[in-house]
Amino acid sequence: QVQLVQSGAEVKKPGASVKVSCKAFGYTFTSNYMHWVRQAPGQGLEWMGIINPSGYSTSYAQKFQGRVTMTRDTSTSTVYMELSSLRSEDTAVYYCARDRGSGRDMDVWGKGTTVIVSS
Amino acid sequence: DIQLTQSPSFLSASVGDRVTITCRASQGIVSYLAWYQQKPGKAPELLIYAASTLESGVPSRFSGSASGTEFTLTISSLQPEDFATYYCQQIHTFPLTFGGGTKIEIK
Repeated sequence: QVQLVQSGAEVKKPGASVKVSCKAFGYTFTSNYMHWVRQAPGQGLEWMGIINPSGYSTSYAQKFQGRVTMTRDTSTSTVYMELSSLRSEDTAVYYCARDRGSGRDMDVWGKGTTVIVSS
Repeated sequence: DIQLTQSPSFLSASVGDRVTITCRASQGIVSYLAWYQQKPGKAPELLIYAASTLESGVPSRFSGSASGTEFTLTISSLQPEDFATYYCQQIHTFPLTFGGGTKIEIK
């Protein structure tokens, strides 16, 4: 069964960094790109970027350029999203989502990782 | 960035109603549009891609259509499990962007 399992909730202080993991099961990890999407409390969905687990290329939304880094470990079928210089506005649920493969829509989502930024 | 304007933002409807949600793109995106359903506390789920193609396993009461830069999601007969928030997403150009969402509540 195809599924994405994300790491647990995090509480961070302003200025710190957070690294969220997303482990893929049930399909060939390198066959599909992976997206990261976040959702602030009570708000809509915001695309952060995409990583190619095969070629390691990435593309980030301009808003997060310089603060976000997406990486992958093919030996464990895991992608990571690290966000630095955290501020309170980064408090959100962070989702990884598999790219369907023939478009850029997202057909499988992780359950989300809650990140709270608070002093 | 391509802006997606969803309307309405909120919709009150009854079981059995026919419901239509509109998503308007700020520029042409051909048919590179997807629709997602999100229930409280859950991750979004893909309903429709390529503007009108139903994702596997999605009930046939859901349909999508496109006319120029205007896209619609229609639920032909609303069921209790359909009360949720719906988002459109353009997948034509980076950065990918989402509409603001439409919340469907029980009347």
